[in-house]
Amino acid sequence: EVQLVQSGAEVKKPGESLKISCKGSGYSFTSYWIGWVRQMPGKGLEWMGIIYPGDSDTRYSPSFQGQVTISADKSISTAYLQWSSLKASDTAMYYCARRWELLGYFDYWGQGTLVTVSS
Amino acid sequence: QSALTQPASVSGSPGQSITISCTGTSSDVGGYNYVSWYQQHPGKAPKLMIYEVSNRPSGVPDRFSGSKSGNTASLTISGLQAEDEADYYCSSYTSSSTLEVFGGGTKLTVL
Repeated sequence: EVQLVQSGAEVKKPGESLKISCKGSGYSFTSYWIGWVRQMPGKGLEWMGIIYPGDSDTRYSPSFQGQVTISADKSISTAYLQWSSLKASDTAMYYCARRWELLGYFDYWGQGTLVTVSS
Repeated sequence: QSALTQPASVSGSPGQSITISCTGTSSDVGGYNYVSWYQQHPGKAPKLMIYEVSNRPSGVPDRFSGSKSGNTASLTISGLQAEDEADYYCSSYTSSSTLEVFGGGTKLTVL
């Protein structure tokens, strides 16, 4: 069974760093892209970026380039999304999802990680 | 403002059919057949309902169908059921540096 299991909810202060994770199982982790999608409270979905764990090829939406870092450790089938200095506006639910091709669709999604940034 | 335009809300009675539109440009919806639709129930992760304009993943009821004309893609749900009440998002590949864009989402209410 394909599963993407994300790390738990986080509460952080502005300026702090954070790394959340997404562990894939039930499929060949290095053969699928893993993307990250943001959903701010009460808002729609936003495409952040995507990584191919097989060779770490990474693409970012211009809106998120320089704001976050996407990485992956294929030895433990885990993708990451990290911030070096959080802002209150980073408060959101973050989803990871997989796809077969770069130009494609997300067929499996993680359960989401809620990040709350508040002083 | 989202790159793809969807109506904020649609509604229908059980058994009826509804259509949700998703309007883009020739740089995204109109130029490529990489349009997908996702269903999201409150507090849940999105679920793929349609991919590549009109294909249904295994397990998705055939009441759900997708199509495209010009720069507008559409999701049609026939024989509405109570469990179809959810938010629906379209997405498309875009030739801009963004690579992919979502619509703003449509809240479907089953009356």
